Amino acid sequence: DIVLTQTPLSSPVTLGQPASISCRSAQRLEHSNGKTYLNWLQQRPGQPPRLLIYQISKRFSGVPDRFRGSGAGTDFTLEISRVEAEDVGIYYCLQGTHFPWTFGQGTKVEIK
Amino acid sequence: QVQLVESGGGVVQPGMSLRLSCAGSGFTFRDFGMAWVRQAPARGLEWLALISPDGSAKYYGDSVYGRFTISRDNSKNTLFLQMNSLRIEDTAEYHCARQHEGFVDDWGQGVLVTVSS
Repeated sequence: DIVLTQTPLSSPVTLGQPASISCRSAQRLEHSNGKTYLNWLQQRPGQPPRLLIYQISKRFSGVPDRFRGSGAGTDFTLEISRVEAEDVGIYYCLQGTHFPWTFGQGTKVEIK
Repeated sequence: QVQLVESGGGVVQPGMSLRLSCAGSGFTFRDFGMAWVRQAPARGLEWLALISPDGSAKYYGDSVYGRFTISRDNSKNTLFLQMNSLRIEDTAEYHCARQHEGFVDDWGQGVLVTVSS
């Protein structure tokens, strides 16, 4: 199974300041069709996960443009340009290239 | 809008079985792959299984392979997860999710399964 390692595991951030989360894969995530199925999800307290970013950098419908995904190969990053109070939660990367799909262990974003 | 509603959770003893259901509405159910994901208490997300739109292809995570079976009834817009030989470590909230190419977008609220003696 492909292991995804997220850093940091906890990210205290001041409101209005940026945040960055890294997701490193033990194997390259390019599919044979040329696409890379690395996704980012947000889970607010008491809520099911919500898709933010798919295929490295595509923002899902309704996701604010302060969320940006980037990366390639085995190294990927989720950036929040200016953290807002509603961004508090746990963020997960998910790879959908190789079966079984796997999640990163999660990064908790909280306000300082 | 897309709605996914899980049911069938509860408290069971180790070794017993349980079948979860997920009713989909607000979209053409038969056009989408579907997945099950779980989250143990205070733990992260674990991908369990995925089924293709017509049910012909199924994929499983290592921890449930051979014990859990994913299936669907497109005539009833319903996804299932048959869970056999349940273990204490299967205690979790179970979510169904709609699958696209390489990702899942809409999620159900989840249903709680507790395995305890």
